[in-house]
Amino acid sequence: GEDVEQSLFLSVREGDSSVINCTYTDSSSTYLYWYKQEPGAGLQLLTYIFSNMDMKQDQRLTVLLNKKDKHLSLRIADTQTGDSAIYFCAESINFGNEKLTFGTGTRLTIIP
Amino acid sequence: GAVVSQHPSWVICKSGTSVKIECRSLDFQATTMFWYRQFPKQSLMLMATSNEGSKATYEQGVEKDKFLINHASLTLSTLTVTSAHPEDSSFYICSATPSEGQFFGPGTRLTVL
Repeated sequence: GEDVEQSLFLSVREGDSSVINCTYTDSSSTYLYWYKQEPGAGLQLLTYIFSNMDMKQDQRLTVLLNKKDKHLSLRIADTQTGDSAIYFCAESINFGNEKLTFGTGTRLTIIP
Repeated sequence: GAVVSQHPSWVICKSGTSVKIECRSLDFQATTMFWYRQFPKQSLMLMATSNEGSKATYEQGVEKDKFLINHASLTLSTLTVTSAHPEDSSFYICSATPSEGQFFGPGTRLTVL
């Protein structure tokens, strides 16, 4: 079955860049997503990338995809205290009308 | 746009009682809704996929008689946890999809005493 893995914790100083990594096993994954979950809240879609792309940038967020190695990363530039949250990567074959397989989540802590 | 609400946001109940959680798409019609469960410090695990007007499809290991799902309209799906026990205590999150993309509700924290 599908397996999506992330490191559990990341601590970054305010103002530095954060890089959150994710690996997946399903070669048929077509869409890869990054979600943000703040304490006690649901999930907010930050960005997604289609598997024929290797990079996508959206303001402070940069997503890099290495399809050969099945490796996805999310870079947050100029990390702020409001970026403290758990970040989940997820994958699906189709966009939307299908279940998502989530990674374990990375808890990002910002050091003042 | 694409707002999904859940009600209640939290609920505490006694063991053996049933609890109903509602998931609504507020500004779009959701042909498909998903129900996920998240245990503390763990990832989201899909419980079932719900299509309007048809029976839900449950993931392996999820008891369909215990977790009753009804998707009676294009904007509302309900999850009823029947005869809840302490091990059912969890964070239940729904998501809804208009046709592309999944939008998540804020979650419902269930605590069974």
